[in-house]
Amino acid sequence: EVQLVESGGGLVQPGGSLRLSCAASGFTFSSYWMSWVRQAPGKGLEWVANIKQDGSEKYYVDSVKGRFTISRDNAKNSLYLQMNSLRAEDTAVYYCAREGGRGIEDVWGQGTTVTVSS
Amino acid sequence: DIQMTQSPSSLSASVGDRVTITCRASQGISNYLAWYQQKPGKVPKLLIYAASTLQSGVPSRFSGSGSGTDFTLTISSLQPEDVATYYCQKYNSAPPFTFGPGTKVDIK
Repeated sequence: EVQLVESGGGLVQPGGSLRLSCAASGFTFSSYWMSWVRQAPGKGLEWVANIKQDGSEKYYVDSVKGRFTISRDNAKNSLYLQMNSLRAEDTAVYYCAREGGRGIEDVWGQGTTVTVSS
Repeated sequence: DIQMTQSPSSLSASVGDRVTITCRASQGISNYLAWYQQKPGKVPKLLIYAASTLQSGVPSRFSGSGSGTDFTLTISSLQPEDVATYYCQKYNSAPPFTFGPGTKVDIK
Protein backbone atom coordinates (compact mmCIF):
# COMPACT_ATOMS: atom_id res chain seq x y z
CA GLU A 1 0.00 0.00 0.00
CA VAL A 2 1.29 3.44 -0.95
CA GLN A 3 1.56 5.47 2.24
CA LEU A 4 2.94 8.72 3.60
CA VAL A 5 3.14 9.29 7.35
CA GLU A 6 4.08 12.69 8.75
CA SER A 7 5.44 13.35 12.22
CA GLY A 8 7.15 16.07 14.18
CA GLY A 9 4.37 18.59 14.61
CA GLY A 10 3.63 20.29 17.90
CA LEU A 11 3.40 23.53 19.81
CA VAL A 12 6.31 25.95 19.41
CA GLN A 13 6.86 29.54 20.44
CA PRO A 14 7.21 32.33 17.86
CA GLY A 15 10.78 32.43 16.63
CA GLY A 16 11.29 28.76 17.39
CA SER A 17 12.14 25.82 15.17
CA LEU A 18 10.59 22.49 14.30
CA ARG A 19 11.52 19.65 11.96
CA LEU A 20 8.80 17.71 10.23
CA SER A 21 9.36 14.24 8.82
CA CYS A 22 7.46 12.18 6.30
CA ALA A 23 8.03 8.44 6.01
CA ALA A 24 7.15 6.94 2.63
CA SER A 25 6.33 3.32 1.88
CA GLY A 26 4.80 1.21 -0.85
CA PHE A 27 6.51 2.95 -3.76
CA THR A 28 9.99 3.82 -5.06
CA PHE A 29 10.49 7.04 -3.12
CA SER A 30 13.64 8.04 -5.01
CA SER A 31 11.68 8.19 -8.30
CA TYR A 32 9.35 11.02 -7.32
CA TRP A 33 9.36 14.73 -6.68
CA MET A 34 7.91 15.33 -3.20
CA SER A 35 6.03 18.30 -1.76
CA TRP A 36 4.82 19.90 1.43
CA VAL A 37 1.38 21.53 1.45
CA ARG A 38 -0.17 23.27 4.45
CA GLN A 39 -3.63 24.29 5.59
CA ALA A 40 -4.20 26.91 8.26
CA PRO A 41 -7.22 26.37 10.53
CA GLY A 42 -10.40 26.93 8.56
CA LYS A 43 -8.46 28.05 5.49
CA GLY A 44 -7.56 26.66 2.09
CA LEU A 45 -4.58 24.69 0.84
CA GLU A 46 -1.22 26.41 0.42
CA TRP A 47 1.63 24.83 -1.52
CA VAL A 48 4.82 25.27 0.55
CA ALA A 49 7.81 23.58 -1.09
CA ASN A 50 8.96 20.73 -3.25
CA ILE A 51 12.15 18.81 -3.99
CA LYS A 52 13.44 16.87 -6.96
CA GLN A 53 14.13 13.15 -6.84
CA ASP A 54 17.86 13.57 -6.14
CA GLY A 55 17.49 16.72 -4.02
CA SER A 56 19.24 18.88 -6.62
CA GLU A 57 16.29 21.25 -7.10
CA LYS A 58 14.18 22.80 -4.37
CA TYR A 59 11.44 25.39 -4.61
CA TYR A 60 9.58 27.39 -1.96
CA VAL A 61 6.60 29.70 -1.67
CA ASP A 62 7.78 33.25 -1.03
CA SER A 63 6.37 33.38 2.51
CA VAL A 64 8.75 30.66 3.75
CA LYS A 65 11.87 31.38 1.72
CA GLY A 66 14.92 31.76 3.95
CA ARG A 67 13.10 30.21 6.91
CA PHE A 68 12.12 26.71 5.76
CA THR A 69 14.34 24.05 4.21
CA ILE A 70 13.06 20.97 2.43
CA SER A 71 15.29 17.92 2.22
CA ARG A 72 15.11 14.18 1.66
CA ASP A 73 16.98 10.99 2.45
CA ASN A 74 16.29 8.45 -0.26
CA ALA A 75 18.09 5.71 1.67
CA LYS A 76 15.56 6.18 4.47
CA ASN A 77 12.57 6.87 2.21
CA SER A 78 12.03 10.07 4.11
CA LEU A 79 11.14 13.70 3.41
CA TYR A 80 11.84 16.54 5.82
CA LEU A 81 10.86 20.15 6.40
CA GLN A 82 13.10 22.18 8.69
CA MET A 83 11.16 25.21 9.88
CA ASN A 84 13.00 28.08 11.56
CA SER A 85 11.95 31.54 12.73
CA LEU A 86 8.38 30.30 13.04
CA ARG A 87 5.54 32.80 13.05
CA ALA A 88 1.92 32.61 14.18
CA GLU A 89 0.87 32.55 10.53
CA ASP A 90 2.77 29.27 10.05
CA THR A 91 0.18 27.55 12.25
CA ALA A 92 -1.34 24.86 10.06
CA VAL A 93 -1.72 21.20 9.28
CA TYR A 94 1.28 20.24 7.16
CA TYR A 95 0.77 17.55 4.54
CA CYS A 96 3.47 15.59 2.78
CA ALA A 97 2.50 14.73 -0.81
CA ARG A 98 3.91 12.72 -3.68
CA GLU A 99 4.06 14.33 -7.11
CA GLY A 100 2.81 11.52 -9.33
CA GLY A 101 3.43 13.75 -12.29
CA ARG A 102 5.36 17.00 -12.03
CA GLY A 103 3.26 19.16 -9.70
CA ILE A 104 0.37 16.68 -9.45
CA GLU A 105 -0.10 15.69 -5.81
CA ASP A 106 -1.49 12.18 -6.19
CA VAL A 107 -0.75 10.73 -2.73
CA TRP A 108 -1.16 12.63 0.54
CA GLY A 109 -0.24 11.89 4.13
CA GLN A 110 -2.68 12.38 6.96
CA GLY A 111 -0.96 15.59 8.05
CA THR A 112 0.81 16.82 11.17
CA THR A 113 -0.29 19.89 13.11
CA VAL A 114 2.05 22.79 13.84
CA THR A 115 0.91 25.46 16.29
CA VAL A 116 3.01 28.58 16.76
CA SER A 117 1.94 30.38 19.90
CA SER A 118 3.34 31.82 23.09
CA ASP B 1 3.51 34.63 -9.69
CA ILE B 2 0.34 33.32 -11.29
CA GLN B 3 -2.78 33.79 -9.17
CA MET B 4 -5.71 31.37 -9.14
CA THR B 5 -9.31 32.34 -8.47
CA GLN B 6 -12.43 30.19 -8.14
CA SER B 7 -16.12 30.87 -8.36
CA PRO B 8 -18.40 30.58 -6.65
CA SER B 9 -16.82 30.42 -3.20
CA SER B 10 -19.69 28.22 -2.07
CA LEU B 11 -22.81 26.67 -3.49
CA SER B 12 -25.77 24.65 -2.37
CA ALA B 13 -27.46 22.25 -4.76
CA SER B 14 -29.92 19.38 -4.69
CA VAL B 15 -29.05 15.72 -5.11
CA GLY B 16 -29.01 14.95 -8.83
CA ASP B 17 -28.23 18.52 -9.88
CA ARG B 18 -25.49 19.39 -12.31
CA VAL B 19 -22.83 21.48 -10.55
CA THR B 20 -20.16 23.59 -12.23
CA ILE B 21 -17.19 25.24 -10.55
CA THR B 22 -14.95 27.70 -12.37
CA CYS B 23 -11.23 28.27 -11.89
CA ARG B 24 -9.32 31.09 -13.54
CA ALA B 25 -5.57 31.65 -13.82
CA SER B 26 -4.12 35.16 -14.02
CA GLN B 27 -1.92 34.02 -16.92
CA GLY B 28 -2.17 31.18 -19.39
CA ILE B 29 -1.17 27.80 -17.99
CA SER B 30 -2.04 25.60 -20.97
CA ASN B 31 -3.68 22.51 -19.44
CA TYR B 32 -1.46 22.30 -16.35
CA LEU B 33 -4.36 22.28 -13.95
CA ALA B 34 -5.49 19.80 -11.30
CA TRP B 35 -8.64 19.55 -9.19
CA TYR B 36 -8.74 18.21 -5.64
CA GLN B 37 -11.60 17.26 -3.34
CA GLN B 38 -11.37 17.68 0.40
CA LYS B 39 -14.22 16.26 2.44
CA PRO B 40 -14.79 17.72 5.91
CA GLY B 41 -12.04 16.62 8.28
CA LYS B 42 -10.30 14.57 5.61
CA VAL B 43 -7.16 14.67 3.52
CA PRO B 44 -7.30 16.23 0.03
CA LYS B 45 -7.77 13.82 -2.84
CA LEU B 46 -6.72 14.24 -6.47
CA LEU B 47 -9.71 14.17 -8.82
CA ILE B 48 -8.49 15.46 -12.16
CA TYR B 49 -5.16 16.43 -13.71
CA ALA B 50 -4.13 17.88 -17.05
CA ALA B 51 -7.39 19.83 -16.85
CA SER B 52 -9.54 16.92 -18.00
CA THR B 53 -7.93 13.57 -17.14
CA LEU B 54 -9.80 11.69 -14.45
CA GLN B 55 -7.60 10.15 -11.75
CA SER B 56 -8.00 6.40 -11.40
CA GLY B 57 -10.94 5.43 -9.22
CA VAL B 58 -12.74 8.77 -9.43
CA PRO B 59 -16.43 8.45 -10.39
CA SER B 60 -17.26 9.37 -13.97
CA ARG B 61 -19.78 12.00 -12.84
CA PHE B 62 -16.75 14.25 -12.32
CA SER B 63 -15.28 15.92 -15.39
CA GLY B 64 -12.97 18.79 -16.14
CA SER B 65 -12.42 21.07 -19.08
CA GLY B 66 -10.59 24.17 -20.17
CA SER B 67 -7.23 25.42 -21.28
CA GLY B 68 -5.23 28.61 -21.02
CA THR B 69 -6.79 30.68 -18.27
CA ASP B 70 -10.33 29.33 -17.81
CA PHE B 71 -11.24 25.93 -16.42
CA THR B 72 -14.31 24.15 -15.11
CA LEU B 73 -15.02 21.19 -12.86
CA THR B 74 -18.44 19.63 -13.41
CA ILE B 75 -20.31 17.15 -11.29
CA SER B 76 -22.98 15.78 -13.61
CA SER B 77 -25.29 14.50 -10.89
CA LEU B 78 -24.51 15.66 -7.38
CA GLN B 79 -24.46 12.94 -4.73
CA PRO B 80 -24.50 13.29 -0.92
CA GLU B 81 -20.93 11.98 -0.74
CA ASP B 82 -19.76 14.87 -2.94
CA VAL B 83 -20.17 17.36 -0.08
CA ALA B 84 -16.67 18.80 0.09
CA THR B 85 -14.47 21.74 -0.73
CA TYR B 86 -12.95 21.65 -4.22
CA TYR B 87 -9.61 23.24 -5.06
CA CYS B 88 -7.94 23.87 -8.36
CA GLN B 89 -4.13 23.99 -8.60
CA LYS B 90 -1.84 25.14 -11.35
CA TYR B 91 1.40 23.28 -11.95
CA ASN B 92 2.85 24.75 -15.11
CA SER B 93 6.56 25.63 -15.41
CA ALA B 94 8.28 26.50 -12.16
CA PRO B 95 6.72 26.56 -8.69
CA PRO B 96 4.95 27.83 -6.67
CA PHE B 97 2.18 25.41 -7.62
CA THR B 98 -0.57 27.69 -6.37
CA PHE B 99 -3.97 26.44 -5.25
CA GLY B 100 -7.20 28.31 -5.78
CA PRO B 101 -9.12 29.51 -2.70
CA GLY B 102 -11.61 26.65 -2.86
CA THR B 103 -15.32 26.16 -3.53
CA LYS B 104 -17.45 24.64 -0.81
CA VAL B 105 -20.25 22.40 -2.08
CA ASP B 106 -23.13 21.23 0.07
CA ILE B 107 -26.57 19.73 -0.35
CA LYS B 108 -29.68 21.89 -0.36
